[in-house]
Amino acid sequence: DTEVTQTPKHLVMGMTNKKSLKCEQHMGHRAMYWYKQKAKKPPELMFVYSYEKLSINESVPSRFSPECPNSSLLNLHLHALQPEDSALYLCASSQGPRTGGVGSNQPQHFGDGTRLSIL
Amino acid sequence: AQKITQTQPGMFVQEKEAVTLDCTYDTSDQSYGLFWYKQPSSGEMIFLIYQGSYDEQNATEGRYSLNFQKARKSANLVISASQLGDSAMYFCAMREGLDSGTYKYIFGTGTRLKVLA
Repeated sequence: DTEVTQTPKHLVMGMTNKKSLKCEQHMGHRAMYWYKQKAKKPPELMFVYSYEKLSINESVPSRFSPECPNSSLLNLHLHALQPEDSALYLCASSQGPRTGGVGSNQPQHFGDGTRLSIL
Repeated sequence: AQKITQTQPGMFVQEKEAVTLDCTYDTSDQSYGLFWYKQPSSGEMIFLIYQGSYDEQNATEGRYSLNFQKARKSANLVISASQLGDSAMYFCAMREGLDSGTYKYIFGTGTRLKVLA
């Protein structure tokens, strides 16, 4: 079992629907991430939250809207998606930038992902 | 410019043999971290091993070791005694921006490893 929990595991939605992806971690991590991954490709960074504040937005279209209600939760709100948005969406967390030293081991911990299909 | 380069799209290895997966990186940061992740077909990303830019010794975790050559900017993953369950996609990743305090992880294109019985 992963320590980062993502729901739902699978989601099928129409282009006019509004849905949300959820991510939860209880490891005390202060950085949380959303990635999009297409088949046989590496994960592409979408957003980074650091201490509940959005620190990186990789020029993601506004139809994707992230939210970090508290240090344990990360949401990704979806609206008016396109078929090309069908992908595996991965959430990850890690210790925040202010914790650990330069040499500290700070891997990202990933959830199992949500497989999103846009009809 | 590609910051993480994995030149082997696919690799085959015989069960119980060792295999090396290549990774080269490019950064101007002095402080950075290098990671390897395994992604089975089920999709989850599993952290395997980490090497810090200031670590003088190569990292090891069980059957995994990281051959870190800083001057050549390479961080190859060595898997000893391959097992059938090692068949998966392997990603090399770098965390840079440690000096600025706002960092992100950059992934290579991955190497698909197939272990043969």
